[in-house]
Amino acid sequence: AQKVTQAQTEISVVEKEDVTLDCVYETRDTTYYLFWYKQPPSGELVFLIRRNSFDEQNEISGRYSWNFQKSTSSFNFTITASQVVDSAVYFCALRGYQKVTFGIGTKLQVIP
Amino acid sequence: DVKVTQSSRYLVKRTGEKVFLECVQDMDHENMFWYRQDPGLGLRLIYFSYDVKMKEKGDIPEGYSVSREKKERFSLILESASTNQTSMYLCASSLVLEKLFFGSGTQLSVL
Repeated sequence: AQKVTQAQTEISVVEKEDVTLDCVYETRDTTYYLFWYKQPPSGELVFLIRRNSFDEQNEISGRYSWNFQKSTSSFNFTITASQVVDSAVYFCALRGYQKVTFGIGTKLQVIP
Repeated sequence: DVKVTQSSRYLVKRTGEKVFLECVQDMDHENMFWYRQDPGLGLRLIYFSYDVKMKEKGDIPEGYSVSREKKERFSLILESASTNQTSMYLCASSLVLEKLFFGSGTQLSVL
């Protein structure tokens, strides 16, 4: 069985603050993939990142960064200097060979 | 440009009706998925298919069935719609082990 936990259901920050969205996962697979998706108010799911279980290097893309720690089964997402356009629901997901399981999402509100 | 198309954006049905939700992808993807999205519950996997005519139950398959007769098309069937199946339904497709591409969703209301 696989499971994704996003303990933070809603977060509010003031613009320009940094914010970290937590994701903890469970799986028995030795090979798996982790994803983050963004769902803005328009509703369409936007892919942000894919990381495989053998690659624990952190990644930075502009204001976004991801911290993958296999030892704690976590794949956290940090937005630096948040902007109003970052307001959205963010989903973490886990993929075994076939099945893809999503967390319940974290709603981020960035206040101007 | 890659595309996952869901046949209806909004659908209203009556309790007990048989409902078909259609999804078509143009990317020659092996894998296709059906999720439902409800407030506070995130995306929950109903069924997925890893190849033509192959299907697997997801986490909440009760009350649903699926059909995949052609690689590009994956249909979700509500055999006898009930009010608790009112939800946003999202279809997705992917290559094996790769990221999912999502359709724009079908908001189904069962009255």
